[in-house]
Amino acid sequence: KQEVTQIPAALSVPEGENLVLNCSFTDSAIYNLQWFRQDPGKGLTSLLLIQSSQREQTSGRLNASLDKSSGRSTLYIAASQPGDSATYLCAVSVGSAGNMLTFGGGTRLMVKP
Amino acid sequence: GAVVSQHPSRVICKSGTSVKIECRSLDFQATTMFWYRQFPKQSLMLMATSNEGSKATYEQGVEKDKFLINHASLTLSTLTVTSAHPEDSSFYICSAPGGGVDEQFFGPGTRLTVL
Repeated sequence: KQEVTQIPAALSVPEGENLVLNCSFTDSAIYNLQWFRQDPGKGLTSLLLIQSSQREQTSGRLNASLDKSSGRSTLYIAASQPGDSATYLCAVSVGSAGNMLTFGGGTRLMVKP
Repeated sequence: GAVVSQHPSRVICKSGTSVKIECRSLDFQATTMFWYRQFPKQSLMLMATSNEGSKATYEQGVEKDKFLINHASLTLSTLTVTSAHPEDSSFYICSAPGGGVDEQFFGPGTRLTVL
């Protein structure tokens, strides 16, 4: 059974810092990995999708890497801003497109002005 | 990206009543949709896979007679919480794979509070 773990569970940093969120998964036979952002009481916003054949994806200040063989992914946020405060979730998809996702517990990020 | 909507966004009901939650894919068709439940400060847990034109597939521990799922069309799946109790209070979120790509797109969620 696939298990996804995110470390740290919570993180508080001053504005402007670069930071790294970690995600690990137990079964390396994944189809893809997605990083999401969730604001309190809201749904999920997809940030980055990495296919199993890819090693990284970038969008603006965000960079996600994937090391499938070791079962790890990192989300790098450059020059953090208070608006980045949210919970960040990683999820892996096993099998063909359309299969359900297994989520990590999330990292609650607070960026202080 | 693809858009998924949910209705209602928030519902408060008395114990014993049934509540229907709708999940719609607005600009694409989805033969499969997924229903998740999220308790406070916890991550999303898959409840069931909704399949258009056939029965839903439920995850272990999820009562299919309590959480009725109907995928009546390629753009609509409904989750009905029957005889709701306070322990069913949670945040329910649906998702669908976006047309032609591998991403999952999520609805905004429905906050259910059972008194």
